[in-house]
Amino acid sequence: RKEVEQDPGPFNVPEGATVAFNCTYSNSASQSFFWYRQDCRKEPKLLMSVYSSGNEDGRFTAQLNRASQYISLLIRDSKLSDSATYLCVVRPGGFKTIFGAGTRLFVKA
Amino acid sequence: GAGVSQSPSNKVTEKGKDVELRCDPISGHTALYWYRQSLGQGLEFLIYFQGNSAPDKSGLPSDRFSAERTGGSVSTLTIQRTQQEDSAVYLCASSLAGPTDTQYFGPGTRLTVL
Repeated sequence: RKEVEQDPGPFNVPEGATVAFNCTYSNSASQSFFWYRQDCRKEPKLLMSVYSSGNEDGRFTAQLNRASQYISLLIRDSKLSDSATYLCVVRPGGFKTIFGAGTRLFVKA
Repeated sequence: GAGVSQSPSNKVTEKGKDVELRCDPISGHTALYWYRQSLGQGLEFLIYFQGNSAPDKSGLPSDRFSAERTGGSVSTLTIQRTQQEDSAVYLCASSLAGPTDTQYFGPGTRLTVL
């Protein structure tokens, strides 16, 4: 089982749609969680951290479920510019950072 | 301020040659990371530096891979006797103090081994 697993997609949605991504992780002792965004042939950039209480940043909402070992990202009112690959990132403690393979999102007009 | 820079941006080499990739982190960042991303894959952790020391080398794929960091700043990743399976984008990231801080990525070096 991979340490971090994501649905690779692609997710094809129309503008204005709400889309949700899930990510599961295997190490129950994992301490920190993040969502990164990666545009085609570009470097990953931090989208948001994920806190136990859940957190929201504009149209983006991230949630953590420690009991079930998954994190989620919800995007409301999708824009064309949201088209990208979304990477789930888990830090199990220590120095290692585990990236999921990413979920591709295409938002169409 | 300047972000993380990497050089070269692209490198094409022949199988069996050695290559050296360079990463210049954000000024003042003490933590530095190297990752590898193969086509259509996620990022694979290679190595982490805190200052000049590398407490975690567990991600290096083989003994052909080595990395160093001098002066707590610039880092080089060296791949000896390159193989075709080494072809990937090599990404460097830095963070202010350690793994709990946000990692900022450089644009990567695209390595192609013929």
